Amino acid sequence: NAGVTQTPKFQVLKTGQSMTLQCAQDMNHEYMSWYRQDPGMGLRLIHYSVGAGITDQGEVPNGYNVSRSTTEDFPLRLLSAAPSQTSVYFCASRGTGNTEAFFGQGTRLTVV
Amino acid sequence: GQNIDQPTEMTATEGAIVQINCTYQTSGFNGLFWYQQHAGEAPTFLSYNVLDGLEEKGRFSSFLSRSKGYSYLLLKELQMKDSASYLCAPVGYNFNKFYFGSGTKLNVKP
Repeated sequence: NAGVTQTPKFQVLKTGQSMTLQCAQDMNHEYMSWYRQDPGMGLRLIHYSVGAGITDQGEVPNGYNVSRSTTEDFPLRLLSAAPSQTSVYFCASRGTGNTEAFFGQGTRLTVV
Repeated sequence: GQNIDQPTEMTATEGAIVQINCTYQTSGFNGLFWYQQHAGEAPTFLSYNVLDGLEEKGRFSSFLSRSKGYSYLLLKELQMKDSASYLCAPVGYNFNKFYFGSGTKLNVKP
């Protein structure tokens, strides 16, 4: 009963490096989202998807790309990491209708 | 877009009752969620309101007034483990865009 799984849990990048944060869910949820959370702040929506092949931007999409080739997976790509992207990243999934979101355990990313 | 306002931090005593308020403005309305987030952990679902009134679930209750753009979370018989951040998330016409308030950090003291 895995729910939402994020990898890695921790990552340190150098400025300019690229990487992909992985998110997978096994609940057959249509809706998946990526958030970032900075110290003392709430969650800010980066990108979201309403199903395989469909993605859209949230509040803070710049510097991030997403794709949704399968229902289960929703990776987040940082194309050229910047110190301003140091944050904790959460992936979430929701079923159809107005149901609650389930969150992964987060990825703590530091860009130096 | 959405405007969501919550107090930044609150302190209460173990065994007491505390009310955490949330005011919001959304384009359309499809309900409001409350989440709990312990430090260093992921948010977890607490409650959902779509109609006006009070929803009770054990020690936690959540209230909604759609006309006033206002909700509160009521925590009774506070326990030390209730020390956490509480996030309000109203859902607008596009319920695929799930926005959160900045959260209220609740400190429960003995």
